[in-house]
Amino acid sequence: DTEVTQTPKHLVMGMTNKKSLKCEQHMGHRAMYWYKQKAKKPPELMFVYSYEKLSINESVPSRFSPECPNSSLLNLHLHALQPEDSALYLCASSQETGQYNEQFFGPGTRLTVL
Amino acid sequence: GDSVTQMEGPVTLSEEAFLTINCTYTATGYPSLFWYVQYPGEGLQLLLKATKADDKGSNKGFEATYRKETTSFHLEKGSVQVSDSAVYFCALSGHTGKLIFGQGTTLQVKP
Repeated sequence: DTEVTQTPKHLVMGMTNKKSLKCEQHMGHRAMYWYKQKAKKPPELMFVYSYEKLSINESVPSRFSPECPNSSLLNLHLHALQPEDSALYLCASSQETGQYNEQFFGPGTRLTVL
Repeated sequence: GDSVTQMEGPVTLSEEAFLTINCTYTATGYPSLFWYVQYPGEGLQLLLKATKADDKGSNKGFEATYRKETTSFHLEKGSVQVSDSAVYFCALSGHTGKLIFGQGTTLQVKP
């Protein structure tokens, strides 16, 4: 299994809602990532987990809260988002962190904040 | 800091034409280099990679050679198809382990 899966595929939420994005991989990878991608732009790194511990937070606002319950799962909890947070949210995984480890991406969750 | 520069798009080609998308990089040391492709409405797919100078990555008819002397990793394909229409991202991974992306190049192939 060489796939990263993400649910839901699409999500529409109001600014007062709480929702979660989910990501799963069964490749035995020990590094997992969240990216945000705006239209016609490259992905922007948000968070990195290595061996289930948060290793990088790219100064992301606290309304985004990541969680790594186990080595195969990665969640992104959303609360009190703003319309400018509307974007494609991509999850990725790699064998480990480090420059020789290629990242495999999921299909993304397209988020719309009303 | 590390950076990647890609040729601006969009690139419009006829089917069976030769494709080159230029990519140059600035980095400390010897980064790994990648090409990712993003089809409309989808996530990124790893197309090919190279981890040291003179390495050639290849996949699905696409090729790119890691040129340290020119700090380049240009993507080429001898004969494009309509199904190759997508956005192509050049990226590097250096000593921080983070993926640094170029701005992306949109390729449109017309029948």
